[in-house]
Amino acid sequence: NAGVTQTPKFQVLKTGQSMTLQCAQDMNHEYMSWYRQDPGMGLRLIHYSVGAGITDQGEVPNGYNVSRSTTEDFPLRLLSAAPSQTSVYFCASSQGIGKAEAFFGQGTRLTVV
Amino acid sequence: GNSVTQMEGPVTLSEEAFLTINCTYTATGYPSLFWYVQYPGEGLQLLLKATKADDKGSNKGFEATYRKETTSFHLEKGSVQVSDSAVYFCALSDSSSGNTGKLIFGQGTTLQVKP
Repeated sequence: NAGVTQTPKFQVLKTGQSMTLQCAQDMNHEYMSWYRQDPGMGLRLIHYSVGAGITDQGEVPNGYNVSRSTTEDFPLRLLSAAPSQTSVYFCASSQGIGKAEAFFGQGTRLTVV
Repeated sequence: GNSVTQMEGPVTLSEEAFLTINCTYTATGYPSLFWYVQYPGEGLQLLLKATKADDKGSNKGFEATYRKETTSFHLEKGSVQVSDSAVYFCALSDSSSGNTGKLIFGQGTTLQVKP
């Protein structure tokens, strides 16, 4: 079972560059989310989606875009990378209403120089 | 708004010691509560959960009880092993948005178990 797959695992960007973090799940889950993990701050929600074609902002959405064209995929786009976006990014999915348990990918460690 | 507060780490224990990691929460409604574990270099894995007051979640020797009167969900294990060394996160579901899978996390507690 693949579960939630994130690519790449590691990435170094220069300030101002753009890139897309990929996330795919094969569990037919309705809900998908992106979090960033920073030391001493736990995980903070960036964007989430409750189904294909529906997205909304989380706690820290600035500088990031998302789209959800299929149930399986939920890419996260960095428009113009900044050093403050250096972090570990996690994608998660959950089944839907009444099933809040989330399944996480392995993470993408992003460094912006 | 909703929030989760965990005890500060790191926590260092000897093998076979008793573990408690405190977690308290602030929430409207009736959230579900979770403990996730993150081993070095890996993503988060669900350790246990509780969905209503007085529920006890348990897994791999770890336990936590949903205490609505004290708004707490403390993680306990009677005898830790070196392999339990990891970062532990307490989290709650944002029930105000209909359990959309949005989770609110504590800051994480690093546990190191020495032989």
